[in-house]
Amino acid sequence: KAGVTQTPRYLIKTRGQQVTLSCSPISGHRSVSWYQQTPGQGLQFLFEYFSETQRNKGNFPGRFSGRQFSNSRSEMNVSTLELGDSALYLCASTPPGGVADTQYFGPGTRLTVL
Amino acid sequence: ILNVEQSPQSLHVQEGDSTNFTCSFPSSNFYALHWYRWETAKSPEALFVMTLNGDEKKKGRISATLNTKEGYSYLYIKGSQPEDSATYLCALIYNFNKFYFGSGTKLNVKP
Repeated sequence: KAGVTQTPRYLIKTRGQQVTLSCSPISGHRSVSWYQQTPGQGLQFLFEYFSETQRNKGNFPGRFSGRQFSNSRSEMNVSTLELGDSALYLCASTPPGGVADTQYFGPGTRLTVL
Repeated sequence: ILNVEQSPQSLHVQEGDSTNFTCSFPSSNFYALHWYRWETAKSPEALFVMTLNGDEKKKGRISATLNTKEGYSYLYIKGSQPEDSATYLCALIYNFNKFYFGSGTKLNVKP
């Protein structure tokens, strides 16, 4: 079974621009979560989508948004980029079934904002 | 915001040493605690999912325990090997699939 894939792997943008990151979960997984990791910080939860609906949300400004498509693929959008948005963005998918199942992570997208 | 704390932040041990790290969290109701291993240039990989007070899990040389009443979990590595070098993350799940990660313990095992 193919793992979680994320595109692009690396991205360089300038302040004020917007960016869209993509995540394809493992086949059959319907829950997709997004995380931000900055130097010295743990993984900060952004949001979680399940069956095209945002089910959970972290404490990030409204510039961070996401969506999920009917095939469970998810996109994350960051508008009006700031220098502090430079980070590794990870997505993770969860198999159907019980609550709090293991998350399977993608390789991440490294975003650099200049 | 729930505070999940991991200690120490980093650890340097010699090959063959046994080591342990701590994950501390508010001792209230939660669904589960997860441990992940994150090697450089790779994706985090699940080690253990723990749900019950007193849970003990083992995978090879790595084991973990959970004390929900006092709010901590220990991860033990027996006879550390260089390939154990990684960042070890714990995560608490309080709401339906909402994960709160600690900042991790970075382990470096010297040959």
